[in-house]
Amino acid sequence: GDSVTQMEGPVTLSEEAFLTINCTYTATGYPSLFWYVQYPGEGLQLLLKATKADDKGSNKGFEATYRKETTSFHLEKGSVQVSDSAVYFCALSDRPGKVTFGTGTKLQVIP
Amino acid sequence: DAGITQSPRHKVTETGTPVTLRCHQTENHRYMYWYRQDPGHGLRLIHYSYGVKDTDKGEVSDGYSVSRSKTEDFLLTLESATSSQTSVYFCAISDTSGGADTQYFGPGTRLTVL
Repeated sequence: GDSVTQMEGPVTLSEEAFLTINCTYTATGYPSLFWYVQYPGEGLQLLLKATKADDKGSNKGFEATYRKETTSFHLEKGSVQVSDSAVYFCALSDRPGKVTFGTGTKLQVIP
Repeated sequence: DAGITQSPRHKVTETGTPVTLRCHQTENHRYMYWYRQDPGHGLRLIHYSYGVKDTDKGEVSDGYSVSRSKTEDFLLTLESATSSQTSVYFCAISDTSGGADTQYFGPGTRLTVL
């Protein structure tokens, strides 16, 4: 079955540092890939997505590229802010009604 | 905002009592989901619905039932709550346009079973 593996957290960075959160996946078809973000006390929000190989999703300075050859969708940001502190979830979907989430990576950014 | 509300937002109940959580959407989306979120487990799908009166089980459906009599409402019922069902419950709807299942989440319901 489908699965998503993302790096264990928590990840602690200083403000303005470069961020990478790794995500790899296993799927039988050609899934769409997503990153969701969850701020404390809130539900998940879509951060970005990519629907086919080599697509790059981007939003709020975050980027991720759909790499079919390495089955990866790593999240990156060039300069993190304290306000980026949250839990980040990688996810895939290969058909309506079927979404598989990773276990989440907590990011803490310190001033 | 995706127009999803959950009620109640917080509930404390006792073991053995029935509990119903409500999810309401204003987006007229076909798919709706119930997840639970627990430390170390991420999000786990309980049940989902693909239309009025059309539902299916997720990976952790034991002890839960759902109903969807209207497009906008999706109810999750714990028939006899247990302490293991203490969790944060999230409802989601999905926009399946373009073939991708993009999900939009409600604010969550924190349930404590004593």
